[in-house]
Order: sequence, then structure tokens, then C-alpha cells
Amino acid sequence: GDSVTQMEGPVTLSEEAFLTINCTYTATGYPSLFWYVQYPGEGLQLLLKATKADDKGSNKGFEATYRKETTSFHLEKGSVQVSDSAVYFCALSYGGATNKLIFGTGTLLAVQP
Amino acid sequence: AAGVIQSPRHLIKEKRETATLKCYPIPRHDTVYWYQQGPGQDPQFLISFYEKMQSDKGSIPDRFSAQQFSDYHSELNMSSLELGDSALYFCASSSPTGANVLTFGAGSRLTVL
Repeated sequence: GDSVTQMEGPVTLSEEAFLTINCTYTATGYPSLFWYVQYPGEGLQLLLKATKADDKGSNKGFEATYRKETTSFHLEKGSVQVSDSAVYFCALSYGGATNKLIFGTGTLLAVQP
Repeated sequence: AAGVIQSPRHLIKEKRETATLKCYPIPRHDTVYWYQQGPGQDPQFLISFYEKMQSDKGSIPDRFSAQQFSDYHSELNMSSLELGDSALYFCASSSPTGANVLTFGAGSRLTVL
């Protein structure tokens, strides 16, 4: 079946450090890929998405490229801020009638000043 | 912009009691999804509705039921509550033109004592 695997956290970085959170997927078809972010005590917010191979999603300085050859969608940011501290979820979906998201286990990012 | 509204935000119940969670999707969104997120876990898909009909079913216990009403709001009914049902319950909605994007509510935190 379809699944998403994320690097385990927590990831602890100093402010302005470079961030990479690895995400790989297993899919029977050609899903869309997403990164959602969950701040403490809040719901899930869409951070970025990519709908097909080689697409790059970007938002708020975060980027991720849909790599079909490596079945990966790694999240990167060049310079993290304390306000980026949150849990990040990688997810996939196929859209259409079965548009449910399949999530990875989440990666906690803690950015220290 | 209008968001997905969930109520109540917090709910405390005793074992074997019944609980009902409500979800009001974004206007003109026709699909509603329910997810359960246990402590420190990724969100697990429970069930979804499209145009008031069940469109997909995930790991929803038989003790739970849900429906979508004519105004597109949805309710998740949980009976014979168990300690393990304590979790954050998210509702999400999507539109037919939304490019597979789910918008999540802030969640309802259920605590079963």
C-alpha cells in the first residue's frame, strides 16, 4: 500500500541554520505530495505542494522538489527562524474521489535563538 | 477568509459515554474528511463524505459513525467511549477545484476519563 516515511525527530537547529527534513514515499500510482505544518496547539496548515514529478513547491522560504526517481520530497529551508518551530508532516494523496491524505509520522523541529 | 470550523474545541467524557463532534466546512467545499491524531502520532484518516455520501472509509471503529448534512456540515458520533479514543480529531474540507488541497480545522480535543 501507499505510505510516507519521514526522518525521525526532534531536529534541533540554531537560528539561521540550514534545514533539511527527509521524506520518501511508496505509491502505487502518481500522487500529489504535500508538506503540512502543525504549530503547538493548532491544526494542520498546508505549507507547500507538488502535483507531478520535478515540480518544486515553495512557500515562506521552504522548498521541496518532487523526485520520482528517488521517490522523495525533502523539505529544505536556507535559514530557519525560531518561529519555524513546529511539527512538519509529509503527505501524499491521489485526489479525485479518494482524496484522503496519507501522512508520515511527523518531524518536530525546534529552532533555538 | 472563512476557515473550517470545529466544535467543541475541547470535550471531556467518561468511559462508555457518547460524544458528538461537529465540523463546518469552508463555503462551497463539498467534501469533508475526519482524522484522528493520538498523542505524538500522525493523523489517521477515519472517513470522508462527498456531496453528503460517504466517499471513503479508513480506520474508523464500528463504535463511531458520521454523516454529512444538506448544508454540508458533518458530525462525528462516538459511542461507548474508551480511554484510547482520547485524541485530537481534525476535520478538513476540500473543493472540486481545489487541486487536491485539504484545509484543516483547528481540531477538537477529546479526553476520555
